Amino acid sequence: KNEVEQSPQNLTAQEGEFITINCSYSVGISALHWLQQHPGGGIVSLFMLSSGKKKHGRLIATINIQEKHSSLHITASHPRDSAVYICAVPQETSGSRLTFGEGTQLTVNP
Amino acid sequence: KAGVTQTPRYLIKTRGQQVTLSCSPISGHRSVSWYQQTPGQGLQFLFEYFSETQRNKGNFPGRFSGRQFSNSRSEMNVSTLELGDSALYLCASNYYNEQFFGPGTRLTVL
Repeated sequence: KNEVEQSPQNLTAQEGEFITINCSYSVGISALHWLQQHPGGGIVSLFMLSSGKKKHGRLIATINIQEKHSSLHITASHPRDSAVYICAVPQETSGSRLTFGEGTQLTVNP
Repeated sequence: KAGVTQTPRYLIKTRGQQVTLSCSPISGHRSVSWYQQTPGQGLQFLFEYFSETQRNKGNFPGRFSGRQFSNSRSEMNVSTLELGDSALYLCASNYYNEQFFGPGTRLTVL
């Protein structure tokens, strides 16, 4: 079973700050997902990455396969970034079965 | 392309009743995964269907079941509801290991 650990669990920042959320997993994976969940409950897929780095707007995701570690960075954070960020990894034999981290509650104050 | 739709969005049931939730994936996607999200357990995998066949199942009791129709729409059923079944139920439309989540059905069991 693949364990997924996220840190920190809670994060409060001031608008404009640089944010980093970390994710570690225990076994080899083909890809890692970063998800965003707003208070309404809907989940949005931010990134799926298997190596290196991906960037979308102010969001950057990196992964180090050898160290089994991924980070999600938010540059120039904004109150609308306030949400729960979740990393998830697929089961080795099924890409459609995800194991999730506990999530990081991010609050960005104006 | 229309996104993933789930119906109903909210549901209130009493203990002992049964419930059926529906998920329509993105057109062309043949795989649907179901997840349960609770404050205590976080997000957990329920099952996955591909081309009308259950391809993977999580660690949930037999009261939780599902099916998929020829048009890829999927339903999940929970029989003999318990208070602990109160949760957000999310389905995801899968395409080559990418997952697109629906808005979820929030089930409250009284």
